[in-house]
Amino acid sequence: GAVVSQHPSWVICKSGTSVKIECRSLDFQATTMFWYRQFPKQSLMLMATSNEGSKATYEQGVEKDKFLINHASLTLSTLTVTSAHPEDSSFYICSARSLFSGANVLTFGAGSRLTVL
Amino acid sequence: GQSLEQPSEVTAVEGAIVQINCTYQTSGFYGLSWYQQHDGGAPTFLSYNGLDGLEETGRFSSFLSRSDSYGYLLLQELQMKDSASYFCAVRDRRDSSYKLIFGSGTRLLVRP
Repeated sequence: GAVVSQHPSWVICKSGTSVKIECRSLDFQATTMFWYRQFPKQSLMLMATSNEGSKATYEQGVEKDKFLINHASLTLSTLTVTSAHPEDSSFYICSARSLFSGANVLTFGAGSRLTVL
Repeated sequence: GQSLEQPSEVTAVEGAIVQINCTYQTSGFYGLSWYQQHDGGAPTFLSYNGLDGLEETGRFSSFLSRSDSYGYLLLQELQMKDSASYFCAVRDRRDSSYKLIFGSGTRLLVRP
């Protein structure tokens, strides 16, 4: 079945530093990946759609210069939180669709919990 | 844009049946999905309804009425491990990426 790997699973950083999160499709190619953000006990909020070989599409209210997305290959998308601040502390989850699972199913990574001190 | 509404919390007893409702508003509806998420974990796909009616997958069933912009997830023979958050999600036909927008989630607590 389709597997999405996300790394790191958790990270603690100092305020002002940048953090990169990787999302890999392990057994399928993903031309499109989705990045979500989730605060404790809240919903998954779509941040952006990552497109292989082109610019990401950001949702309204998401700062593209703050959350840099790169989708350089068919199996890897990265999210970089630049100049992180405590309010950026959250659970970041990526997802993708695969032919294995069908167009109507999103496979999610295990998520990356970011804590900014 | 899209909006989805679900109850915030539901409590039920082990072995019982519980129904989680979802109403939605979207300008380009393409289907209603349900995902389960345990605390600290990744959301996992449960069910999808593209057409009206009931879809059954083991102990879980999902229903859709497009004319009412309404769906529900039915969980039967509840088990303790079913305690989790359940999200409905819609896909917008107008968007070529077919991104999913999630509801606010329903926390289900199964008691012994």
